[in-house]
Amino acid sequence: SQTIHQWPATLVQPVGSPLSLECTVEGTSNPNLYWYRQAAGRGLQLLFYSVGIGQISSEVPQNLSASRPQDRQFILSSKKLLLSDSGFYLCAWITGGAGDTQYFGPGTRLTVL
Amino acid sequence: ILNVEQSPQSLHVQEGDSTNFTCSFPSSNFYALHWYRWETAKSPEALFVMTLNGDEKKKGRISATLNTKEGYSYLYIKGSQPEDSATYLCAPSSGTYKYIFGTGTRLKVLA
Repeated sequence: SQTIHQWPATLVQPVGSPLSLECTVEGTSNPNLYWYRQAAGRGLQLLFYSVGIGQISSEVPQNLSASRPQDRQFILSSKKLLLSDSGFYLCAWITGGAGDTQYFGPGTRLTVL
Repeated sequence: ILNVEQSPQSLHVQEGDSTNFTCSFPSSNFYALHWYRWETAKSPEALFVMTLNGDEKKKGRISATLNTKEGYSYLYIKGSQPEDSATYLCAPSSGTYKYIFGTGTRLKVLA
């Protein structure tokens, strides 16, 4: 069966520090991968998605970036965190066609102080 | 699909009450409509995916309907229980790999 992993589960970082969040999927190949963020009191915001290795679509201009170095690995990064980067970060995947159901990882709670 | 609205934003109901909420979306370029249930500190869980106008889906006490011509979907919960407390998200898709979620309806069921 397919599973999705995210780590770390929680993270507290100072403003200006770098960030690296990792998402990996098991039990499937060629997944479409997504990064979302929920800021406090807000909805689920699409940050990036990827339809293949090295292919990244950015949805929101910000100081975050994403990379997909391997088929089942998706990384969210920042060189310098802002207070506004605090939130709950979710990775998701689909294996079917566009419009298919998304399945979410357990999430990472990021607090920037 | 950019304008996805969910209403109400939040509601409180008593245990045993039935309730419903709405997801509104542009009817053009419609491909599918997804409903998710999101409990605090957990990840969203898929409830339904609907594609055809007039579709109705049911899972236990939860059901959903879809009207693609006018661009809305209803989610119904019959006999609400405290464990139904969660945020319910809808996400219409235009058939691309980009998904846009509504802001959700936060449901609190009081025992």
